[in-house]
Amino acid sequence: DAGVIQSPRHEVTEMGQEVTLRCKPISGHDYLFWYRQTMMRGLELLIYFNNNVPIDDSGMPEDRFSAKMPNASFSTLKIQPSEPRDSAVYFCASSLSQGAHEQYFGPGTRLTVT
Amino acid sequence: GEDVEQSLFLSVREGDSSVINCTYTDSSSTYLYWYKQEPGAGLQLLTYIFSNMDMKQDQRLTVLLNKKDKHLSLRIADTQTGDSAIYFCAESMRGSARQLTFGSGTQLTVLP
Repeated sequence: DAGVIQSPRHEVTEMGQEVTLRCKPISGHDYLFWYRQTMMRGLELLIYFNNNVPIDDSGMPEDRFSAKMPNASFSTLKIQPSEPRDSAVYFCASSLSQGAHEQYFGPGTRLTVT
Repeated sequence: GEDVEQSLFLSVREGDSSVINCTYTDSSSTYLYWYKQEPGAGLQLLTYIFSNMDMKQDQRLTVLLNKKDKHLSLRIADTQTGDSAIYFCAESMRGSARQLTFGSGTQLTVLP
């Protein structure tokens, strides 16, 4: 398997623009997680899905952030409008409901909002 | 405060053993994990341990779990320069084995 795939790897945008981050989980995994990593706050869980259904979105910072999972092989995280404080690395991870529940991470999207 | 705590930095000489420590608070955690993050990369799962075990060994890696003290450690034998990275400890969250709580990470620097 190719592992968790994220795109784009880097995104630079201007304040006020819409940003869409994409994730393809490992095939067969039924949990998908979105994280944000910054120097100041470390690794934060934003939202996670089980079988394409959002389970907990309490980590989503505000209404400017939204996430969808239209099918088992694709998820998006959208920021509209983007702000400079959204600059961070955004990771997607997936896991199985069976076993040790270990999460496998994608390479991340480095977002810079100017 | 944080549920999972780690020291921020550790430096060792190449060839020595490294020991990275972690304390956690949720006594009901079922699994505890160690992840490695190299610069510009995602988190890579290194190993995990089930809470009813006290030790797990995997090649150069040894995980020790002291459940009474809620203390987890990762020992890397014969540390190499390629082991330089940030190491994260994580626990499965109370009431949900799917969510993980991560520590702040320990930056391991291996000196030649």
